[in-house]
Amino acid sequence: DTEVTQTPKHLVMGMTNKKSLKCEQHMGHRAMYWYKQKAKKPPELMFVYSYEKLSINESVPSRFSPECPNSSLLNLHLHALQPEDSALYLCASSQGGGTGRYEQYFGPGTRLTVT
Amino acid sequence: SQQGEEDPQALSIQEGENATMNCSYKTSINNLQWYRQNSGRGLVHLILIRSNEREKHSGRLRVTLDTSKKSSSLLITASRAADTASYFCATVLPYGGATNKLIFGTGTLLAVQP
Repeated sequence: DTEVTQTPKHLVMGMTNKKSLKCEQHMGHRAMYWYKQKAKKPPELMFVYSYEKLSINESVPSRFSPECPNSSLLNLHLHALQPEDSALYLCASSQGGGTGRYEQYFGPGTRLTVT
Repeated sequence: SQQGEEDPQALSIQEGENATMNCSYKTSINNLQWYRQNSGRGLVHLILIRSNEREKHSGRLRVTLDTSKKSSSLLITASRAADTASYFCATVLPYGGATNKLIFGTGTLLAVQP
């Protein structure tokens, strides 16, 4: 199974709502990533978990809260978002550099609209 | 910014023609990767070339790497309408443990006309 799944596919939320994005992989990868992508731009890294521990936080506002419950699951909790947070949110996973395998596997993304 | 640059920003060709896109990066690298993204979807890994390689092939894809010029190119031969997508190059910053940070280029939007 070389698939990364993300739910939901689309999400519309108000600025006072709390919602969560979910990501799952069953490839035994030990690193998982959250990216934000605006239209016609490359993905921007938000967070990285390595062996279920947060290893990179790219100075992301606290209204985004990541969680890695186990090695297969990654969540992104959203609270009090702003309209400018509307974007495609991508999850990815990779085996890890120590294995010599650097490629990342991406999920299909969640299209988030904040109203 | 560590972000790489790609050119052209957009490329429109006819089916059957070849498409070439170029990537320049700023730091020394261990490897460089190319990804494809269909409109509004996730990225798909296409090919990885290591810093000690100069050329690599995978099906209709040919990638070259010139570390002295800090540049790479992706050639898609005999293009098809299904190749229509955005293409991103990415270099890797290893962080230790399992963590690798991808530094993406600005992307090339390829449109293949039937």
